[in-house]
Amino acid sequence: DTAVSQTPKYLVTQMGNDKSIKCEQNLGHDTMYWYKQDSKKFLKIMFSYNNKELIINETVPNRFSPKSPDKAHLNLHINSLELGDSAVYFCASSQGTPRGNEQFFGPGTRLTVL
Amino acid sequence: GDSVTQMEGPVTLSEEAFLTINCTYTATGYPSLFWYVQYPGEGLQLLLKATKADDKGSNKGFEATYRKETTSFHLEKGSVQVSDSAVYFCALSASGGSYIPTFGRGTSLIVHP
Repeated sequence: DTAVSQTPKYLVTQMGNDKSIKCEQNLGHDTMYWYKQDSKKFLKIMFSYNNKELIINETVPNRFSPKSPDKAHLNLHINSLELGDSAVYFCASSQGTPRGNEQFFGPGTRLTVL
Repeated sequence: GDSVTQMEGPVTLSEEAFLTINCTYTATGYPSLFWYVQYPGEGLQLLLKATKADDKGSNKGFEATYRKETTSFHLEKGSVQVSDSAVYFCALSASGGSYIPTFGRGTSLIVHP
């Protein structure tokens, strides 16, 4: 059973398009995250939701909008895609805040903007 | 703000060699410290953690000790295997209200037979 799953695994699209990435966790966790990993493997947190409430919102263009329909799902919608959005996006979850608590990561979605 | 500094890679070793990957941090309060590992094409997974000073985290032959006096959490393994080839991330979550997790830039380890 996959603990944190993401779809799609690969996403290739043109500049200016709008796309979504879906994330689901079956661990019963109450906190979920979105991270962006660039080509040099640098990992940067983008958003975090706790019990469907946004608790972390780092400096991210407002073209990126997270949506949490319930505790088990956190989707990421991106408008007007740009070349610089090409990266691997990881969803993660934890029980409670990250302090002292392990985060469980999904397999990643590789987004390529042409 | 909080930060994590890791040694730059890649670190290239022969099988059975000793591994050290250095990690130092800057944070307010008393952070929890983590090492995550990312195998090619996969997401990160927790390798080990420590939540207070002098704690030692260990897993799969890897160890790291939370050193508050030197603000360090160096990763060590006595004898690496080819299967340990991966990218290793040092991370912290501080004691501030937001608990924003902070990751180092990652260190690539390549182990040759």
